[in-house]
Amino acid sequence: KNQVEQSPQSLIILEGKNCTLQCNYTVSPFSNLRWYKQDTGRGPVSLTIMTFSENTKSNGRYTATLDADTKQSSLHITASQLSDSASYICVVTPFSGGYNKLIFGAGTRLAVHP
Amino acid sequence: DAGVIQSPRHEVTEMGQEVTLRCKPISGHDYLFWYRQTMMRGLELLIYFNNNVPIDDSGMPEDRFSAKMPNASFSTLKIQPSEPRDSAVYFCASSRNTEAFFGQGTRLTVV
Repeated sequence: KNQVEQSPQSLIILEGKNCTLQCNYTVSPFSNLRWYKQDTGRGPVSLTIMTFSENTKSNGRYTATLDADTKQSSLHITASQLSDSASYICVVTPFSGGYNKLIFGAGTRLAVHP
Repeated sequence: DAGVIQSPRHEVTEMGQEVTLRCKPISGHDYLFWYRQTMMRGLELLIYFNNNVPIDDSGMPEDRFSAKMPNASFSTLKIQPSEPRDSAVYFCASSRNTEAFFGQGTRLTVV
């Protein structure tokens, strides 16, 4: 069983609409949780990073939330744009781990249509 | 800074040939990572270096894979001999603290 599970696997929305992506994890304890955006043919780019003690972090139209009790995180995209079309990857770092312990989710593929 | 630079962007090679992927990390970063991404398995860490020294290569699939970092500004990932199942996108990333910055990747196709 994957320690970081994301849903939905893929999502299609219309430009201007909001959407929320989910990340459930079993990694415990953990040091931080990141959301990355990966455009097609490009490398992942960090959107937000939250430590275990934080419960929300915003980056422009992107807002990430974290509930350490239920081990859930969400990424909310407001007023979506065509350029938001990408894969969004949730990444968890275990508390005792070094960099080699990054645990990646499979990603949610988002398509924003005009 | 131009970010993490990888070359080539695309590589098509025949099975059995040697393939060398290259990476230039961001100046000042002391960690360098090599990842492989496939549709089936997502992003997998192959190996990472700290201050040019390999720290953990447990993700390297087999002896056909090797990686070097001769200096702080350059690293290579070599596959010899290559096989069709090695086809994937290979990412290099560098870091100075907690955030890793990824290159644009090398799409490798082994036919």
